[in-house]
Amino acid sequence: DTAVSQTPKYLVTQMGNDKSIKCEQNLGHDTMYWYKQDSKKFLKIMFSYNNKELIINETVPNRFSPKSPDKAHLNLHINSLELGDSAVYFCASSQNTGEKLFFGSGTQLSVL
Amino acid sequence: GENVEQHPSTLSVQEGDSAVIKCTYSDSASNYFPWYKQELGKGPQLIIDIRSNVGEKKDQRIAVTLNKTAKHFSLHITETQPEDSAVYFCAASRYSGGYQKVTFGIGTKLQVIP
Repeated sequence: DTAVSQTPKYLVTQMGNDKSIKCEQNLGHDTMYWYKQDSKKFLKIMFSYNNKELIINETVPNRFSPKSPDKAHLNLHINSLELGDSAVYFCASSQNTGEKLFFGSGTQLSVL
Repeated sequence: GENVEQHPSTLSVQEGDSAVIKCTYSDSASNYFPWYKQELGKGPQLIIDIRSNVGEKKDQRIAVTLNKTAKHFSLHITETQPEDSAVYFCAASRYSGGYQKVTFGIGTKLQVIP
């Protein structure tokens, strides 16, 4: 029974397209996150929601828009995809913000 | 903001030997220091964490030490096994604006040679 699940696992798309990644957690956590991991493995926070409220919004292009319909779900929509968006995107959740993060298995996005 | 430096970036050890990964942080207000292990094709997984009021914590073959004065903390893995091969991330976290903000190190790729 997967704790943090995200779909799809792989996403290959053309420049300029719009795509979404979905995330769900069944741990009953209050906080969810989106992280971006580049080709050098660096992990960078993008967004964080606590009880459906946006609490962290790092310097991310406006083309990225997170949505949290309820505290168990956090989706990421990306408009007008660019080559530089290619990366692995991880969803995560935690009971207390910033502590003991549980990560999903990642979505590898390739923009051609 | 917080800056976390991690080294080495790669580490190869023989099976059975010990491995040590070191991190330094810049913000003296950081109070929580987790370590994550990322296996190939998977998301990072928390393996051990330590708070600023503790100097050392151990869990079987894994231990973490924290020196608040010097602002550095280390991960020690003893009796390494091939399944310890992975990328390890340190992180430092501080309370700011109502929530804990986490900053990750760049990661250390550990290879355990059988």
